Amino acid sequence: GENVEQHPSTLSVQEGDSAVIKCTYSDSASNYFPWYKQELGKGPQLIIDIRSNVGEKKDQRIAVTLNKTAKHFSLHITETQPEDSAVYFCAVAPMYSGGGADGLTFGKGTHLIIQP
Amino acid sequence: NAGVTQTPKFQVLKTGQSMTLQCAQDMNHEYMSWYRQDPGMGLRLIHYSVGAGITDQGEVPNGYNVSRSTTEDFPLRLLSAAPSQTSVYFCASSQRGGGYTFGSGTRLTVV
Repeated sequence: GENVEQHPSTLSVQEGDSAVIKCTYSDSASNYFPWYKQELGKGPQLIIDIRSNVGEKKDQRIAVTLNKTAKHFSLHITETQPEDSAVYFCAVAPMYSGGGADGLTFGKGTHLIIQP
Repeated sequence: NAGVTQTPKFQVLKTGQSMTLQCAQDMNHEYMSWYRQDPGMGLRLIHYSVGAGITDQGEVPNGYNVSRSTTEDFPLRLLSAAPSQTSVYFCASSQRGGGYTFGSGTRLTVV
């Protein structure tokens, strides 16, 4: 089955600096790569996703890059703010014919700490 | 539009008891799935459904049953609870080709 590795497990950055979280996966059939943010006591919230026909996607301060040849993708957060402190999860899924029916395989998460 | 609603939010069970975790979505999503979240393990897929009447097993299905009689509801049943099933459970739904929306979770403790 699919195996997703996520690094680092904890990341502490100064407010205003950038944060980068990296994930690798094993199954070449995976072609949907979402990132989730989870705050304490809440469910994961989708913040950005990318599909295998795109190498990079941006949404304001958040960007995701994908290298399908190397089977890795990364989350980039610029100009970090205190409200960015949370646990971030990467995930992968095969999207047969645009489906995404088989659920997600998650990385183990990164605890991002923004230091004031 | 409430999204994905899970009940109860908290539950304590004794070993051997059974219970059903409820999940309902009002977005007319085709796909629904259940995950458990344990410290240091991320979220792991238990069961999933691609439509009413169709379910399949995920990574960690043992000890859990599901059914999908309607598009809106996807309950998760624990037949005989064990301490190893102490976890936080999340239900999620998605439309074909879309992102998954998660509920707020059920925190289950088995003593």
